[in-house]
Order: sequence, then structure tokens, then C-alpha cells
Amino acid sequence: ELQLVESGGGLVQPGRSLRLSCGASGFTFDDYAMHWVRQVPGKGLEWVSGISWNSGSLGYVDSVKGRFTISRDNAKNSLYLQMNSLRVEDTALYYCVRGDSSGWYRNWFDGWGQGTLVTVSS
Amino acid sequence: EIVLTQSPGTLSLSPGARATLSCRASQSVDSSFLAWYQQKPGQAPRLLFYGASSRATGIPDRFSGSGSGTDFTLIISRLEPEDFAMYYCQQYGSSPGTFGQGTKVEIK
Repeated sequence: ELQLVESGGGLVQPGRSLRLSCGASGFTFDDYAMHWVRQVPGKGLEWVSGISWNSGSLGYVDSVKGRFTISRDNAKNSLYLQMNSLRVEDTALYYCVRGDSSGWYRNWFDGWGQGTLVTVSS
Repeated sequence: EIVLTQSPGTLSLSPGARATLSCRASQSVDSSFLAWYQQKPGQAPRLLFYGASSRATGIPDRFSGSGSGTDFTLIISRLEPEDFAMYYCQQYGSSPGTFGQGTKVEIK
């Protein structure tokens, strides 16, 4: 059974950094693209970033370009999101999500973790 | 960026009723690259449909998806108690992939 477990969220001041991690199990991790999707509590969903199976191709939503970096370690079945220069508007529940294919572009999302909450506040 | 508008915002219906949810795109969605998700309080979203009308594994056949271009529909033919939830559409045909704001299906 697919399992995605996020960690690393917490309370951080504006301008600081945070690194999210996601451990994957129950499937062949390096067969799939992976993504981060966020959700402000009580609000809608926003795709943040995606990475292809071999890290050869990456994508970001404009609002995080230059501040966030997605990466993966297939040997460790792990996905990461390095978040720098955090803003109040980055406050959200961050989900680790599996794409439906090996490339990150044009994916639907067929597996979701339970999320890790990031709160950016002074 | 393609904007998805879902309607209605809230649908108040009784168990056994038929639910019709709409998702309209600001421009045509390539090759029907549209998905639907269900989210219950305190849970992560769950994939219902991809490719506008292809049912995901384990989704009951009282759920159906249809549409193309800019207009897509999710129908729940007879609402079961477990179907009362939030529903989101997502287009993944162009980057960035975007979601609608959601339709809440609540018990009347």
C-alpha cells in the first residue's frame, strides 16, 4: 500500500528557512514523479512544485520560484522541499504527492500524504 | 495560467439525491487533462477521475465524470452518507496545474 509521510513543518519567522521531507513506501519510488501541493487550512489546493523520476526536470509555481527547491533521493525513497525566504503567505499544509507517471509535467495525483503544517509568522 | 471555476460553491442535498458539480475553465483544457478529487475534513484529497472521465481505482460507479474543452461535470447519481465532502477539479494540461476552488456537498 502506498504511503507518504511528511515531516519538517513548524512555526518559522518571515525570511527564515525550512526543509520539508517526505518518506515514501509501498511503491517503486524511482518510477514516479513527485510533487508538493499546499493548502491553506479551510481553503483550496495549490500545486507548488514537481520533480521527475530522475531529478532531470523540475517545475515550480511562479510564487515560489527562486525561493523553494525541490529534490529527491531515490536511494532513500525520499522527497524534499527546501523553502527559503519564507513569507506569511506560504503558511499552509504541505502535501507530498505522487504523480501518475515518471515525468512531472501533465500529472494527475494518485497518492497523497497527510501533510505537514508550515506556519510563517513573527 | 488556466483558472478553474467550480459551481455551485455549496450543494445541499439529501442522501439518495443526484449531485451535479460543474468545473469551467478559463481556456480550453488540452486533451481533457482534467481530474477530480474528493476531500473529507481532516483528510488528504483522494483521486476520483483523471482524463475527465476515467474512474480511479476503487471509485464506485455511482460517480461519473464527463466533459471536454472548457466545461466538465462530476455527477454522483445517488448520494451515500460517505459522499458528503469537498470536491475539487484540477487541470494538468498546462503548467502550472491549477485547481478549482471546490464545491462542498453537504447534507440537507
